[in-house]
Amino acid sequence: QSVLTQPPSVSGAPGQRVTISCTGSSSNIGAGYDVHWYRQLPGTAPKLLIYGTSNRPSGVPDRFSGSKSGTSATLAITGLQAEDEADYYCQSYDTSFGGTTVFGPGTKVTVL
Amino acid sequence: DVQLVESGGGLVQPGGSLRLSCAASGFTISAYWLHWVRQGPGKGLVWVSRINSDGSRTGYADSVKGRFTISRDNAKNTLYLQLNSLRADDTAVYYCTRASSRIAENDHWGQGTLVTVSS
Repeated sequence: QSVLTQPPSVSGAPGQRVTISCTGSSSNIGAGYDVHWYRQLPGTAPKLLIYGTSNRPSGVPDRFSGSKSGTSATLAITGLQAEDEADYYCQSYDTSFGGTTVFGPGTKVTVL
Repeated sequence: DVQLVESGGGLVQPGGSLRLSCAASGFTISAYWLHWVRQGPGKGLVWVSRINSDGSRTGYADSVKGRFTISRDNAKNTLYLQLNSLRADDTAVYYCTRASSRIAENDHWGQGTLVTVSS
């Protein structure tokens, strides 16, 4: 069972806005640790999408945005496109058990 | 360009051992923390291990503690993971990643190497 929880799937029509939640606890997100997001296309390695909760690496379009409140973080995708269909994972740091990197279970985004 | 290239995966029997390597290019690993992350078939990402920039500090997931050993050779710009006492649930694609600190994002990932544990 993951320390961070995400919905298994979300879907939307092209052009719509979808959000993915990442819920943690007081030992990770709630403790002030940043949340990072990754996108994984089928058969490929994950790629960094958002770092430091709300920052986009060079080359990531501003359709992707991140935010955090309390023990949860959210990834928003606006203007949904067919190529956004992928698995999305959140990551943070957890102070339990000596301090470990933790990932959410992943969310499959389907473009209808 | 920053590149991480894993190798050393393969088919191994339960109880066996493997040594994974991750060769870095386009940057000097001595300035970075390095991690191993694995992904079982059809499953999500799971953090496995980390090592700091000079190799003096390491960390492991409970599921691999005592069986896996992470190491690095900064002179060869290479990261390693020694996998011992392998079990069927260790079957996964193993990715090496780069991060600027223990808690930072993994900004570059290798393509992964598949480890299959089966008799």
